[in-house]
Amino acid sequence: QLQLQESGPGLVKPSETLSLTCTVSGGSIRGGSISRTGYYWGWIRQPPGKGLEWIGSIYYSGNTYYNPSLKSRVIISVDTSKNQISLKLTSVTAADTAVYYCARQGVVTPNNWFDPWGQGILVSVSA
Amino acid sequence: DIQMTQSPSTLSASVGDRVTITCRASQSISSWLAWYQQKPGKAPKLLIYMTSSLQSGVPSRFSGSGSGTEFTLTISSLQPDDFATYYCQQYNSSPTFGQGTKVEIK
Repeated sequence: QLQLQESGPGLVKPSETLSLTCTVSGGSIRGGSISRTGYYWGWIRQPPGKGLEWIGSIYYSGNTYYNPSLKSRVIISVDTSKNQISLKLTSVTAADTAVYYCARQGVVTPNNWFDPWGQGILVSVSA
Repeated sequence: DIQMTQSPSTLSASVGDRVTITCRASQSISSWLAWYQQKPGKAPKLLIYMTSSLQSGVPSRFSGSGSGTEFTLTISSLQPDDFATYYCQQYNSSPTFGQGTKVEIK
């Protein structure tokens, strides 16, 4: 059964960089080796008491797609040898305080639903 | 960005009730719509994708319909486990979510 687990600091200072890792177990980030089609993997966040916001997605080969509203501050990367994807968000403010989730998307396109999800990690931005 | 608007924001219902949640897109998204259920402190769980396809393991009392700009999620007979917040998400283009509908006990 595919499982995703987010990890990283739970507290980040304003103006610094938020860095999170999502470790995938029970399956490969590359996806099906026979078809040579891999999965897209996404990051989504949810401020306390608010709704969901897509941050960006990455293909196992490294192609990235970002939310235009966050694009200037986001870097998503993949390490297939470790079965991990990573998120960096620069110049954070209190508005970036949220639960951050990673999730698998489909193949072919990053425009897809999300399933399954990691349990999420709360990151607070505060001095 | 395609804006997704859910209604109502909060819905009070009783066990056994038929519940309908509406999701409207700011432009046509064909059938590229998913629904999620989220309980407090938990990650969202995929219920339905492609407007009406039930994710494996999801009870058949959940159903989805619609196309273009208007979509609905229906729970045919509300169960105690169904009290939660529900989100729609379009994936016709860069993914965006509705603001959520909280289903609470009447």
